[in-house]
Amino acid sequence: DGGITQSPKYLFRKEGQNVTLSCEQNLNHDAMYWYRQDPGQGLRLIYYSQIVNDFQKGDIAEGYSVSREKKESFPLTVTSAQKNPTAFYLCASSTEGGTGELFFGEGSRLTVL
Amino acid sequence: DQQVKQNSPSLSVQEGRISILNCDYTNSMFDYFLWYKKYPAEGPTFLISISSIKDKNEDGRFTVFLNKSAKHLSLHIVPSQPGDSAVYFCAAAPSGTYKYIFGTGTRLKVLA
Repeated sequence: DGGITQSPKYLFRKEGQNVTLSCEQNLNHDAMYWYRQDPGQGLRLIYYSQIVNDFQKGDIAEGYSVSREKKESFPLTVTSAQKNPTAFYLCASSTEGGTGELFFGEGSRLTVL
Repeated sequence: DQQVKQNSPSLSVQEGRISILNCDYTNSMFDYFLWYKKYPAEGPTFLISISSIKDKNEDGRFTVFLNKSAKHLSLHIVPSQPGDSAVYFCAAAPSGTYKYIFGTGTRLKVLA
């Protein structure tokens, strides 16, 4: 079955720690994305990548970092510089930017204690 | 500055009736629009899309209408079913770009 796998589904972190969220896709999609969802704020774009070894900042990239070393993988690191990291994080992929639908993973909920 | 707006945070509709969810946008460069449905603690699932060369697109019970001059789109669900109860997001992007911008969502409740 093709799809997007995010892990872990739930993650707890102490303040000051970095944490990495995994996103893997077997849809052979070129583009991958990370969104953050907060109550009442919809989905906000953190980073996106059009092709391997290339990525662009979205609207709320501060305190986050990504890498795209393989087509299938787009991990997101939430660093200690992110002031309010508790949120629901969604990874997505698409075939073509701007003309294709986004396929989403099931999400990862990060809670900072 | 919110480029995609869903001004109704919630909507309640009786089962079997029509649900109409609205979305407004401000960026005239947007020419591809999508609707997603989302349950709590899950990823959004794609419902239907429309490009700016059309003003209507249908898929089963779901129809999306686009009014480019008003920068407005709407999703019609007919007939509404209790399983349609979820949060609905609209999203927009300029064609050929990768920056899909989402609205804040409308929570639809279909009453049995």
